[in-house]
Amino acid sequence: DQQVKQNSPSLSVQEGRISILNCDYTNSMFDYFLWYKKYPAEGPTFLISISSIKDKNEDGRFTVFLNKSAKHLSLHIVPSQPGDSAVYFCAADGNKLVFGAGTILRVKS
Amino acid sequence: ETGVTQSPTHLIKTRGQQVTLRCSSQSGHNTVSWYQQALGQGPQFIFQYYREEENGRGNFPPRFSGLQFPNYSSELNVNALELDDSALYLCASSLYRGGYTFGSGTRLTVV
Repeated sequence: DQQVKQNSPSLSVQEGRISILNCDYTNSMFDYFLWYKKYPAEGPTFLISISSIKDKNEDGRFTVFLNKSAKHLSLHIVPSQPGDSAVYFCAADGNKLVFGAGTILRVKS
Repeated sequence: ETGVTQSPTHLIKTRGQQVTLRCSSQSGHNTVSWYQQALGQGPQFIFQYYREEENGRGNFPPRFSGLQFPNYSSELNVNALELDDSALYLCASSLYRGGYTFGSGTRLTVV
């Protein structure tokens, strides 16, 4: 029972362009969402979060959008940089983190 | 301020053996949670400890057990290892909701 889904296993983007990573969830009780970035041989690193009382949160090049009616959130990275190449996980915080399977982002220079 | 430290970084065990993984929480964090990340998947919640008491458990069998110590460090114990237990085990500490800091993980290989 996958409560958090990231349906795109990978995404390739040109440096300087926008990267959009998508995430869907099924449990309407989830009210707090996080995005993590993970490099090989390292633990997940927190990027940005959003509460369900908001529909947008920005932090520098990173913006997360939440559409509660569609149970969908997305992470926008603008402009994308080669150092952004990593695995990105969407997670819902319901007193424990429920993760999606991740999306591998490759930013080409 | 130190982060979350996990040990060992890698280990290889034989099927049927027992293993103990360790985690030192970030200073001031009173909650620790453990996750299993199999290859190509997202981390899966194993259990969580708050002030030395287990206060949440995922869909893992009882042979996965844990401890949290007064200094908030933690152990994950797995008995009767199976091949499918091969994975990256992640520890995360937190003080408040959403404020999780992850360690680099322990890569366990069961042969």
